[in-house]
Amino acid sequence: ETGVTQSPTHLIKTRGQQVTLRCSSQSGHNTVSWYQQALGQGPQFIFQYYREEENGRGNFPPRFSGLQFPNYSSELNVNALELDDSALYLCASSPARTGTAYEQYFGPGTRLTVT
Amino acid sequence: EDKVVQSPLSLVVHEGDTVTLNCSYEVTNFRSLLWYKQEKKAPTFLFMLTSSGIEKKSGRLSSILDKKELFSILNITATQTGDSAVYLCAVDTGNQFYFGTGTSLTVIP
Repeated sequence: ETGVTQSPTHLIKTRGQQVTLRCSSQSGHNTVSWYQQALGQGPQFIFQYYREEENGRGNFPPRFSGLQFPNYSSELNVNALELDDSALYLCASSPARTGTAYEQYFGPGTRLTVT
Repeated sequence: EDKVVQSPLSLVVHEGDTVTLNCSYEVTNFRSLLWYKQEKKAPTFLFMLTSSGIEKKSGRLSSILDKKELFSILNITATQTGDSAVYLCAVDTGNQFYFGTGTSLTVIP
C-alpha cells in the first residue's frame, strides 16, 4: 500500500504566474483535500474532492481551483500568484465518505515560494 | 464562525516530563476531532475521537474528548526528544476540517 505523494517538492514562481501542484491518493482512498499552511500556522482548508466532484470549499478566492481524476489523483491550480500564496501546500486523502467520521492521511507537501 | 483553539502555543520540557496539550472548539456541526503530529512536513495521524469520555491510547500518548465542554486533551507521558514536534488538533464538520494553530513541543535531553 503506497502513501500519499505530492509533486513537486519545492517550487519558486514569480508574482502573476500560474502553478499546478499534484497529488496521488493513498491506495483505496477516493476523497482528496487540499490545505495551505503558512509558516507558524495550522493548515487552512482550500477544498475537497470526492469522486471527481468538488465537495466543500474553504475561504479561498476562485483563482484557487482543482481537479480530481478517475484514478483519484488530484491537482491544485493557482492563477495570478500573489506573494501571500507562499506556503506549504498539503494534500490529504481519505477513504470513501460513508456519512461517518474518517481519518485523513497527509502527503509530504509542496513548498511554494512566490517572489 | 467555526474555530479551533489550541493551548499552549509552545512548550519546553525535559525528558521524562508529562505534558498536556489542550484543544477547544466551536463548530456548527461536529463529526470528529483528530490529533496530528507534524515534525517537518506531513502531519502524521495520532488519534480520532468521536465520543465523549472514551480515552484513546497509543503507547505513551493518550487523548480524550469532552463534547459537552467542547474540548480535548492530548497527554504525553515520559516525554522523549523524539516527541519534539508541532501537535495539531482538527475538527471534522462533515465537509471540511478546521485546524488549530498547533502547539510546538520541545523536549530537552
